[in-house]
Amino acid sequence: EDQVTQSPEALRLQEGESSSLNCSYTVSGLRGLFWYRQDPGKGPEFLFTLYSAGEEKEKERLKATLTKKESFLHITAPKPEDSATYLCAVLYTDKLIFGTGTRLQVFP
Amino acid sequence: DSGVTQTPKHLITATGQRVTLRCSPRSGDLSVYWYQQSLDQGLQFLIQYYNGEERAKGNILERFSAQQFPDLHSELNLSSLELGDSALYFCASSGTGWNNEQFFGPGTRLTVL
Repeated sequence: EDQVTQSPEALRLQEGESSSLNCSYTVSGLRGLFWYRQDPGKGPEFLFTLYSAGEEKEKERLKATLTKKESFLHITAPKPEDSATYLCAVLYTDKLIFGTGTRLQVFP
Repeated sequence: DSGVTQTPKHLITATGQRVTLRCSPRSGDLSVYWYQQSLDQGLQFLIQYYNGEERAKGNILERFSAQQFPDLHSELNLSSLELGDSALYFCASSGTGWNNEQFFGPGTRLTVL
């Protein structure tokens, strides 16, 4: 069965404590992998698209990487405003399958 | 602001009723997607329309239907509502490319009492 799994489910960090979020997938014929940020009660906000293994994208304190079976979202020196749920989604055929997300809390 | 608008923001209704959710895509986007997000299930893809035609179907119940109009706005109709239909419903839109990013609206929170 095609699946997208994110880990950990929840992550608590001290401000400035870098870490990584994982997204692993088992779909075949990947057409793209997307990262979104979602604040409580709001729509997901697009962050990155990755298309092929070895690709990397960066935006402020976030860096996304992709291998053949997983993607990582690295957060460097996080701030409290980075607290949110981070979702990854895999595009194959015409469908976008979302993982259940990692809920990140950054404390001052 | 993603440029995708959804109305209403909140909807409270009773079991057995029917409601309509509305979505306007970003200017120029031809594809509209509908998703359901409940606490225990994450974001579930329901259905996609492209320039007025149904393009892909996900886990959409038979009690639910959608359409996209000539001006590209879309409506999601939910009928014979059940308590379990309470959720956030999101609309997203994307451009014409096969791998274009989807941009999400602010959602409609549906509560079925």
